[in-house]
Amino acid sequence: AQSVSQHNHHVILSEAASLELGCNYSYGGTVNLFWYVQYPGQHLQLLLKYFSGDPLVKGIKGFEAEFIKSKFSFNLRKPSVQWSDTAEYFCALRPSGNTGKLIFGQGTTLQVKP
Amino acid sequence: GAVVSQHPSRVICKSGTSVKIECRSLDFQATTMFWYRQFPKQSLMLMATSNEGSKATYEQGVEKDKFLINHASLTLSTLTVTSAHPEDSSFYICSAGTPSGANVLTFGAGSRLTVL
Repeated sequence: AQSVSQHNHHVILSEAASLELGCNYSYGGTVNLFWYVQYPGQHLQLLLKYFSGDPLVKGIKGFEAEFIKSKFSFNLRKPSVQWSDTAEYFCALRPSGNTGKLIFGQGTTLQVKP
Repeated sequence: GAVVSQHPSRVICKSGTSVKIECRSLDFQATTMFWYRQFPKQSLMLMATSNEGSKATYEQGVEKDKFLINHASLTLSTLTVTSAHPEDSSFYICSAGTPSGANVLTFGAGSRLTVL
């Protein structure tokens, strides 16, 4: 069965701390992977995506993620978080070739203390 | 960039009534739109895939007679929650892909439904 698991449900960090949010997926074939962010009261926005090629992908706002195929992982990282990064983060997969069906993880709430 | 608009953003209705939520692609044509449901503190669950000019494809466990989807044009898909009950209260989000391939979906801001 296709699934996405995010290990951390609620993360609290101080500003300037480094961030790593875990994401593991279960799927037997080729996948496209995404990280979305949902700021309070706003809609989902794409942070970054991986389709193929370099497994280290860089996104907006200083975020990056690394696809490790052997570990079925796509962890999100940021070297130094800001208060404005407080939001809900969702990892999602899409079976390659599918028109758009996304399978989301449970989400991780990030709270950055000033 | 591509923008998806949802209306209404919030709606409160009485139990037993029907509610329609609209999803519009403002600056592009979307042959495919997706409807998700998000429960509080939980992830988004795909409800159905809406295809312009044809019947929607529903995910397992989603009642198609309960959640009516119409995708009559390339810029508009509607979700109608029929005979709503309190357990239907949720956050409904639509997303759209472009005719060239939904490589990246654009999401609407969501519609919060509260059924009294």
